Amino acid sequence: NAGVTQTPKFRILKIGQSMTLQCTQDMNHNYMYWYRQDPGMGLKLIYYSVGAGITDKGEVPNGYNVSRSTTEDFPLRLELAAPSQTSVYFCASSYSRQGSSYEQYFGPGTRLTVT
Amino acid sequence: DQQVKQNSPSLSVQEGRISILNCDYTNSMFDYFLWYKKYPAEGPTFLISISSIKDKNEDGRFTVFLNKSAKHLSLHIVPSQPGDSAVYFCAARSGGYQKVTFGTGTKLQVIP
Repeated sequence: NAGVTQTPKFRILKIGQSMTLQCTQDMNHNYMYWYRQDPGMGLKLIYYSVGAGITDKGEVPNGYNVSRSTTEDFPLRLELAAPSQTSVYFCASSYSRQGSSYEQYFGPGTRLTVT
Repeated sequence: DQQVKQNSPSLSVQEGRISILNCDYTNSMFDYFLWYKKYPAEGPTFLISISSIKDKNEDGRFTVFLNKSAKHLSLHIVPSQPGDSAVYFCAARSGGYQKVTFGTGTKLQVIP
């Protein structure tokens, strides 16, 4: 199993450009998440999904959009990139199961710089 | 309002000694607490967790203690090894939801 994969690993965007961060998991997890981590800060939840076709906002959703058409994929769309979106983005997945510890499995991250 | 706090940004410990990482929380609805470990340029990886109905959970060199009355948990690593050098995040989950709230992390350096 590859686990959670993210592409690209690095990206530099100009202000106003748009892009999609890709995330795929092969563990058949129903829950998926997008986080951002700014320097010296914890992970902030952007959006999450409880299953295909169902998404909801997290703590910091402004400037982002998501979709979940399949169990495996959960892309994050940035429209009109701004310098405040410079961050490291992590995708994660988890499985909702009675008695589990609810741990999330993370991808390696995408380092995005907006200039 | 930061519901999960890790007040020590960094910690240095000699190899072989005990490392104690602390975490405080404010939301009494949290029912599960987790610790994640993160190496540079990698995603966080799950380390250990504890349910709010327990006060201790052990896994090898790692033990997590929960004090609900003080809204405090700690991660003990004994003995500490240089490979334990990483950033450790405390996280907490609210009942009925898969969303977790993360602390800001503590950078542990284990000195050989």
